[in-house]
Order: sequence, then structure tokens, then C-alpha cells
Amino acid sequence: AQSVTQLDSQVPVFEEAPVELRCNYSSSVSVYLFWYVQYPNQGLQLLLKYLSGSTLVKGINGFEAEFNKSQTSFHLRKPSVHISDTAEYFCAVISVSGGYQKVTFGIGTKLQVIP
Amino acid sequence: GAGVSQSPSNKVTEKGKDVELRCDPISGHTALYWYRQRLGQGLEFLIYFQGNSAPDKSGLPSDRFSAERTGESVSTLTIQRTQQEDSAVYLCASSLGQGLSYEQYFGPGTRLTVT
Repeated sequence: AQSVTQLDSQVPVFEEAPVELRCNYSSSVSVYLFWYVQYPNQGLQLLLKYLSGSTLVKGINGFEAEFNKSQTSFHLRKPSVHISDTAEYFCAVISVSGGYQKVTFGIGTKLQVIP
Repeated sequence: GAGVSQSPSNKVTEKGKDVELRCDPISGHTALYWYRQRLGQGLEFLIYFQGNSAPDKSGLPSDRFSAERTGESVSTLTIQRTQQEDSAVYLCASSLGQGLSYEQYFGPGTRLTVT
């Protein structure tokens, strides 16, 4: 079975402070990893993804994430958050087997940036 | 170009009625996904279409839920005999498909309210 755990449902952080949103996954096969963001009253959009290669991936708006295979983690980080980063962030994994994709999303983490 | 579109944007229906939700994916995207997002919860996978292959229906919560896709274009999600617990935002996403890109492009969603 494949699963994604986002340990923090809500993360309040002061503006210009660093933030880390945690994501752990479980899968018996290799996976591709994604972070999506949902701004208030908007649809989901891709923030960044790891398919292969360098384990440190950079995304839009200054976010980055590091794939750690031994820890089965893909934590999202930003060194200095802005008010406009207030949104809900979803971690997702995709595995491919027998010609089919299996996609699993986490429950989401609400990032609240405090001025 | 045009993104993923969904209609209607909002649907209010009485318990026991059938509803049809429509998704128009991005042209050329062979993969199409349906998700359910209940208030305050994460994305729940419902069904996945990949080209002309048999769909992965493993996420459909009951036999009241069904979906069809015409070739590699429009998809409709049908909920029969709606229940109050079906109230949620139904999201559709499309992607280029396996081996090309796993990035999903999301539509704005259909907010379904069952009274």
C-alpha cells in the first residue's frame, strides 16, 4: 500500500521566518514526489517535483524540497516566508506499475503567515 | 492555452437526485483524474483514466459513483441517489501521461452541496 503523511495540519509562522512543512511517504516501489499549493479561493498548482537526479529540487516562489530516500521524506522548506505564502500545501506521490499510475495525496498543511 | 475546465462551478441538489459533473482536460493530455475534497480534508482519489486503457476505479467510494471518458477528451463523473455525505468539491486534473510528465493540472472544481 502507498501512503503519504503530512504530520502538521496547520503551521503558523511569522513573516520573514523560515518554515519547513513535513512530508513522509510509504511505498514498496519507486515513487515520484510532488508538492502542490492551493492559495485561498484558487485551484491547486504545482510548486515543485522530484522525478530523478539531484535530491534537492527548487520550485516557484523560493520554495525547495529535499528527497531523502532513507528517511522516505520530502520536506518542503523556505528560508523566509511572505504573507502571500499563506496557503494550503499538499504533498503527493506517484508510483507506476503495470502501465498504471497510482497517485496519493497527503491531507494538506495550512501555512498561516503572521505579519 | 486553455487549462482544465469544469462545469458547473456550483451545484446544489436534493438528497436522492442524480448529478453529472463535467471535466474538459487540456488538449493532448492522455491522463485524467477525479478527486474529492471534503471540507477541511485532503484530496481523495476517485478514478484515473489513461488513454484508452481500462480506468483505475479503485477510489470510487460506492457503486453510486461512476465516470466515463470519451477518448482522450471530456469526462463526466456521475453520482446517483446523492447523499449528504457526497457534499464536497470535486476536482478534475489532467496530465500528459506516463513517461512524459506526471505533473497534474487541476481544474477549479465543482462545489456540490446535497441538501
